[in-house]
Amino acid sequence: GEDVEQSLFLSVREGDSSVINCTYTDSSSTYLYWYKQEPGAGLQLLTYIFSNMDMKQDQRLTVLLNKKDKHLSLRIADTQTGDSAIYFCADLNQAGTALIFGKGTTLSVSS
Amino acid sequence: DAGVIQSPRHEVTEMGQEVTLRCKPISGHNSLFWYRQTMMRGLELLIYFNNNVPIDDSGMPEDRFSAKMPNASFSTLKIQPSEPRDSAVYFCASSSGTASNQPQHFGDGTRLSIL
Repeated sequence: GEDVEQSLFLSVREGDSSVINCTYTDSSSTYLYWYKQEPGAGLQLLTYIFSNMDMKQDQRLTVLLNKKDKHLSLRIADTQTGDSAIYFCADLNQAGTALIFGKGTTLSVSS
Repeated sequence: DAGVIQSPRHEVTEMGQEVTLRCKPISGHNSLFWYRQTMMRGLELLIYFNNNVPIDDSGMPEDRFSAKMPNASFSTLKIQPSEPRDSAVYFCASSSGTASNQPQHFGDGTRLSIL
């Protein structure tokens, strides 16, 4: 079935780069998404990449997509303590009706 | 601009009671989604409306759950009767297109506890 997998935890020091990885099973998606969830809040759309792109850069964020390996990554440059949150990778289901989310990667940034 | 608005933010009730969660999507958005988030299962889609019509309700767990969208600016998710295993955070999201071509914007969620 459709599935999105992420590592559960990542710990980095302030100023370092963070790389959050995601693999997905469905290759028919038009877009793949990264969402950020802070404690007690909803999911905030961080960035997304069109499926025919390999890379998208948006300020400190870089998204890399390897369609052959069905692998998506999010790189945060110069990670700040305010980046501490849960990051979700999301893919569209085969019916095209909804997003399938990974379990989320908890990013912890220490100063 | 106002985002997706959900109410209540928190709900604590005893099992067997009826629970109604409310959502106001972003004005102009024509797709609305209800999700449930738990530690064990992560985020799961419950139901998806497009132009007020339910398109995919395959995620609705059982007959105790029902959702309505009487107009473009309001939706409800009802659980009757509620059970402790329904305890979760329920999110509403909306988008300006279909699920496949526009990003979804989430509300802050309703944290539901069934005792």
